[in-house]
Amino acid sequence: GENVEQHPSTLSVQEGDSAVIKCTYSDSASNYFPWYKQELGKRPQLIIDIRSNVGEKKDQRIAVTLNKTAKHFSLHITETQPEDSAVYFCAASPSSNTGKLIFGQGTTLQVKP
Amino acid sequence: DSGVTQTPKHLITATGQRVTLRCSPRSGDLSVYWYQQSLDQGLQFLIQYYNGEERAKGNILERFSAQQFPDLHSELNLSSLELGDSALYFCASSVAVGSGYEQYFGPGTRLTVT
Repeated sequence: GENVEQHPSTLSVQEGDSAVIKCTYSDSASNYFPWYKQELGKRPQLIIDIRSNVGEKKDQRIAVTLNKTAKHFSLHITETQPEDSAVYFCAASPSSNTGKLIFGQGTTLQVKP
Repeated sequence: DSGVTQTPKHLITATGQRVTLRCSPRSGDLSVYWYQQSLDQGLQFLIQYYNGEERAKGNILERFSAQQFPDLHSELNLSSLELGDSALYFCASSVAVGSGYEQYFGPGTRLTVT
């Protein structure tokens, strides 16, 4: 079936440290992997995404890596800031015909000043 | 602001009732997705429409139904409501169908069933 596992469920880091969130997907046909950030009471917002033909993508302090063989992908945030505190969701798109997203359970990131 | 609008923002209703949630996609977007977010289930895909046609179905209960109208707005109908249906319901839109197109989320409708 279509499933995405996300770890850890909570993550607390000191300001300036790095944070890493890992996801594993089950459907080998998945070819698109977005990451969303959701602040309390707000909508999920796309922060970075990666397609299956790319192994790594970087955008300033955020990077995502993809290992298709192992079926896992990770989000890396460097030089964390208090405003990075939020819930982060990974997702996988298991079908190129629809675009529906299967989400992980979310990681609550707390960045302590 | 993503450009996706959802009404109402909040809805409180009793068990057994029926409600309709409305979503207007971003201008130019043809694809609409509905997701349910509850505390213990995360974000669950419910259903997708593309240009008026149902395109994909997820774990949507038989008590729930949806449609997309010619002007591309979409409605999610929830009937015979149960306490467990209390959740945040998000609508998202993308310009086309298929993976790789960014989905823009609306602000959500918070449904409370008492």
